[in-house]
Amino acid sequence: GDSVTQMEGPVTLSEEAFLTINCTYTATGYPSLFWYVQYPGEGLQLLLKATKADDKGSNKGFEATYRKETTSFHLEKGSVQVSDSAVYFCALSDFSGGYNKLIFGAGTRLAVHP
Amino acid sequence: EAQVTQNPRYLITVTGKKLTVTCSQNMNHEYMSWYRQDPGLGLRQIYYSMNVEVTDKGDVPEGYKVSRKEKRNFPLILESPSPNQTSLYFCASSPDRGYSPLHFGNGTRLTVT
Repeated sequence: GDSVTQMEGPVTLSEEAFLTINCTYTATGYPSLFWYVQYPGEGLQLLLKATKADDKGSNKGFEATYRKETTSFHLEKGSVQVSDSAVYFCALSDFSGGYNKLIFGAGTRLAVHP
Repeated sequence: EAQVTQNPRYLITVTGKKLTVTCSQNMNHEYMSWYRQDPGLGLRQIYYSMNVEVTDKGDVPEGYKVSRKEKRNFPLILESPSPNQTSLYFCASSPDRGYSPLHFGNGTRLTVT
């Protein structure tokens, strides 16, 4: 079945450092891809998405490009802030059941220090 | 304010004592779903509902029940909780079978001793 693999965390960075969180996927069809973010004590929020190959999703300085050839959707940010500390989930959509069932990766915790 | 509200936020209970976690959304969404979040496993879908009186199993439904008698409410019922159901639970909703982004509640942390 479809699956998502993320790099294990935690990822610890200093403020203004460059961030990459790797995400690869396995899917039989052509899924949409998502990054969700979970701030402490809160539910998940959609950060960005891409619906087809070579699409780039972006939001709040974060970017990810849908790479079909490498089945990847790596999250990047050029300069992280302390407020970016959160857990980041990569996810893909599986429409085979007639609805958008999201399949999530295990999550990567990011800690940004001043 | 558009939101998904779960209650309680924290719950500690004992094995076998029936409990219900409530979920309510005020956005008139048709689609609702329950997930559990466990370390190293991400979020896994427990049950989902396409509309009132329409529910179906997700990937990990064993030990759980749900109901959808009204559009806004989607309670999760644990008839006889066991320690392996200790987890962080999230309810989510979407207007259109999940094609639009999911709106998540803030979670319920359940501990079963």
